[in-house]
Amino acid sequence: EVQLVESGGGLIQPGGSLRLSCAASGFIFSDYWMHWVRQAPGKGLVWVSRIDSDGGSSVYADSVKGRFTSSRDNAKNTLYLQMNSLRAEDTAVYYCARHVSDYTNNVDRDWFDPWGQGTLVTVSS
Amino acid sequence: QSVLTQPPSASGTPGQRVTISCSGSSSNIGSNTVNWYQQLPGTAPKLLIYSNNQRPSGVPDRFSGSKSGTSASLAISGLQSEDEADYHCGAWDDSLHGPVFGGGTKLTVL
Repeated sequence: EVQLVESGGGLIQPGGSLRLSCAASGFIFSDYWMHWVRQAPGKGLVWVSRIDSDGGSSVYADSVKGRFTSSRDNAKNTLYLQMNSLRAEDTAVYYCARHVSDYTNNVDRDWFDPWGQGTLVTVSS
Repeated sequence: QSVLTQPPSASGTPGQRVTISCSGSSSNIGSNTVNWYQQLPGTAPKLLIYSNNQRPSGVPDRFSGSKSGTSASLAISGLQSEDEADYHCGAWDDSLHGPVFGGGTKLTVL
């Protein structure tokens, strides 16, 4: 079964740091780009970051650029998100998701499947 | 404020057909395929429709998707109580070099 399991969330004071993990199983982890997506309480989904399959390249949303770092250990089938200088507005459930892509008939198709169960990060004093 | 625009809520009675819209721009829906995710209460999002109108294995054919220009729609026919959930549209954005999502639509089955 293809599965993603996040861990590492919790209550952290503003300005603090936290590292999230996402353990992958049931597929060849090193073949896929991976993403972090967050959802503030009662709000919609917001993309946070993307890392390519070998970890050589990452892209971030402007809201977290310079504070968050995505990395991966393909030997351990694990994705990480290092979050520094945390702010109240970073409070959210953080999901990891596998990026699935298909290029057929000159059309690029991309979607996220599966998603992890999410881990809650609460930034508050 | 989300890049893609969805109505915040929708509703219908059992057996009815409901549609949920998703509006974007030329850099996202206009040039890339659209996906829909279902989020049941208290759970993670789950892929419902990919590549505008494709259903993953296990998704009932009551669910269908379409796209035209810079807008997309999700249709649910034969509405059932277990369809009560949040529905999110998503698409790649060429300007942002990443995916964008709608704000989500909360579907209530009356």
